Amino acid sequence: GNSVTQMEGPVTLSEEAFLTINCTYTATGYPSLFWYVQYPGEGLQLLLKATKADDKGSNKGFEATYRKETTSFHLEKGSVQVSDSAVYFCALSDRSGGYNKLIFGAGTRLAVHP
Amino acid sequence: EAGVVQSPRYKIIEKKQPVAFWCNPISGHNTLYWYRQNLGQGPELLIRYENEEAVDDSQLPKDRFSAERLKGVDSTLKIQPAELGDSAVYLCASSLEGQFNEQFFGPGTRLTVL
Repeated sequence: GNSVTQMEGPVTLSEEAFLTINCTYTATGYPSLFWYVQYPGEGLQLLLKATKADDKGSNKGFEATYRKETTSFHLEKGSVQVSDSAVYFCALSDRSGGYNKLIFGAGTRLAVHP
Repeated sequence: EAGVVQSPRYKIIEKKQPVAFWCNPISGHNTLYWYRQNLGQGPELLIRYENEEAVDDSQLPKDRFSAERLKGVDSTLKIQPAELGDSAVYLCASSLEGQFNEQFFGPGTRLTVL
C-alpha cells in the first residue's frame, strides 16, 4: 500500500542553521504531497503542498519540491528560528478504497536552540 | 474564527471502562475526520463523515469503537470497553467539502488506559 517514510528525529539545530528533513514515499499513481507542522500543545497545521511532479511548495520560508524520479519531498529552510521548533509530518493523498485520505509519516521533531 | 475544539484534552481510565471524546469542527466544515495517533507515529484515519454520513469507516475497529455525528455538526467517538492498546492521542479534523487536502486539526485528546 501507499506509505511515507521520514527521517528519524529529533533534529537539533542552532538558530540560523540550514534545515533538511527527508521524506520519501511509496505510491501508485500520482499523489499530492504535503507537509504538516504541529507546534507544542496545538493541532497539526498544513505547512505546504505540491500536487504534481516538479511542483515546489513554499510557506514561511520552508520549501519542498515534488521529485517523482526519487519519490521524495524533502523539507528545507535556509535559516531556522527557535519558533520553528515543532514536529513535522510528511503526508500523501491516497485514493485507494475509493475515498481520498491522507497517509502520514511518523513525524520528525525539530528542536532549534538560540 | 474558532478552530476545531476537542474535549477532554486528557483522559485516564482503567481497562474495560468506557470512554467518549467530543469534537466540534470549524463552522461550515461539513467533512469531519477522527484519527488515532500512537506514540511516535503519524495520525491514522479511523472514520470520515460527510455531514452526518460516515463515508469511510474501514479503519474503525467496530467491535469496540463507535462514532456518531447526528446533526452533521459535532461528533462523538466512543470506546467500550477500552483496552491497554487504545492508549493514544485521538485527533479530530475538519475540512470544507471536497477539500480533504487541507484539513484543520484540533489539539487532540490524550487517552491513557491503565
